[in-house]
Amino acid sequence: QVTLKESGPALVKPTQTLTLTCTFSGFSLSTSGMRVSWIRQPPGKALEWLARIDWDDDKFYSTSLKTRLTISKDTSKNQVVLTMTNMDPVDTATYYCARILGDYAFDIWGQGTMVTVSS
Amino acid sequence: SYVVTQPPSVSVAPGKTARITCGGNNIGSKSVQWYQQKPGQAPVLVIYHDSDRPSGIPERFSGSNSGNTATLTISRVEAGDEADYYCQVWDSSSDVVFGGGTKLTVL
Repeated sequence: QVTLKESGPALVKPTQTLTLTCTFSGFSLSTSGMRVSWIRQPPGKALEWLARIDWDDDKFYSTSLKTRLTISKDTSKNQVVLTMTNMDPVDTATYYCARILGDYAFDIWGQGTMVTVSS
Repeated sequence: SYVVTQPPSVSVAPGKTARITCGGNNIGSKSVQWYQQKPGQAPVLVIYHDSDRPSGIPERFSGSNSGNTATLTISRVEAGDEADYYCQVWDSSSDVVFGGGTKLTVL
């Protein structure tokens, strides 16, 4: 059974750096073809794709956010980490990690973690 | 950047067919996915690669994609299908893009 779970702070202050961890089971990111992405959803709004990391350590970022994002993996711990710098109240959202099926079908999602940016 | 457009809301009576559209320039040349999201829950993939269904998704859910419109069709709609539905598009020349979402109301 494939599961993913996000963890990180529920509250961050403006200008701080957010670090989120996705811990997964049921698959390995060292297996050829495996990919994991981060997606976020502000309250009452649509989903927004953030970043992706592949089994071979290729990384891809949202064009609009790429200067603020870093994605990395720890294969031995079955974890993917996303950092987002210079947080702003508009970054308040539920952050999800998801496994990718094929090219870009997010087939299994974590439960999400709500992050509020406020002073 | 690429933009996809969904109607904000669709209403349908139980037992009828709901059709939710996702419009974009030449979207027929791209791979389209559809997600169902119920309140307080994570999205669930219901259609991938335009028309494929993941295991566990009822056959009542189907998808098509041609020209400038992709469509999610839900046949014999049930009360439990009431949710927000998002289309998602990717091709090698653009970011991953989600539509604004469509709220399906079962009357």
